[in-house]
Amino acid sequence: NAGVTQTPKFQVLKTGQSMTLQCAQDMNHEYMSWYRQDPGMGLRLIHYSVGAGITDQGEVPNGYNVSRSTTEDFPLRLLSAAPSQTSVYFCASNEGLAGDGTQYFGPGTRLLVL
Amino acid sequence: ILNVEQSPQSLHVQEGDSTNFTCSFPSSNFYALHWYRWETAKSPEALFVMTLNGDEKKKGRISATLNTKEGYSYLYIKGSQPEDSATYLCAFIGWGAAGNKLTFGGGTRVLVKP
Repeated sequence: NAGVTQTPKFQVLKTGQSMTLQCAQDMNHEYMSWYRQDPGMGLRLIHYSVGAGITDQGEVPNGYNVSRSTTEDFPLRLLSAAPSQTSVYFCASNEGLAGDGTQYFGPGTRLLVL
Repeated sequence: ILNVEQSPQSLHVQEGDSTNFTCSFPSSNFYALHWYRWETAKSPEALFVMTLNGDEKKKGRISATLNTKEGYSYLYIKGSQPEDSATYLCAFIGWGAAGNKLTFGGGTRVLVKP
């Protein structure tokens, strides 16, 4: 199993550009989440999904969109990038109600918005 | 927004010494507390999932205790080694939290000096 994969690893954007951060998992996990990591603030939840076709907002959803058309994939879209979105983004999955909530994290995407 | 706090934010430990640090969380509506270890340039990895008041978990030289009534958990590292250098994150799940939503603390960054 590859686990949770994320692409790209690094990205530089100009303010106002759009992009999609890709996330995929091959563990057949029901739940998937996106977090951002900023210095001194740990991990903050952006959006999450409890299954294909179902998404909901986390703590810091503004400026981000998600969709979940398949169990495996959970892309994160930045419609109009802002410097405040410079961060490291982690995708995670877990087994949902069948498990204990342990999150399995991807390797992260480092994003710089100029 | 749930208040999950970790202290101290960082600590330096001499190799061979033992250390401990704290995660505090809401004492009401508790469902589970997670601990994750996060090495630089890697993804967070689960250490412990704790659900019952009085729980004690151990993995090698690292152990954790849980007090749900007063809302805190301690993580202990016995005989610290340089490879223990990492950021340790705790994450709280409240009862009824949709999708196993985790609220992370800011982390305790541990540096073990040889």
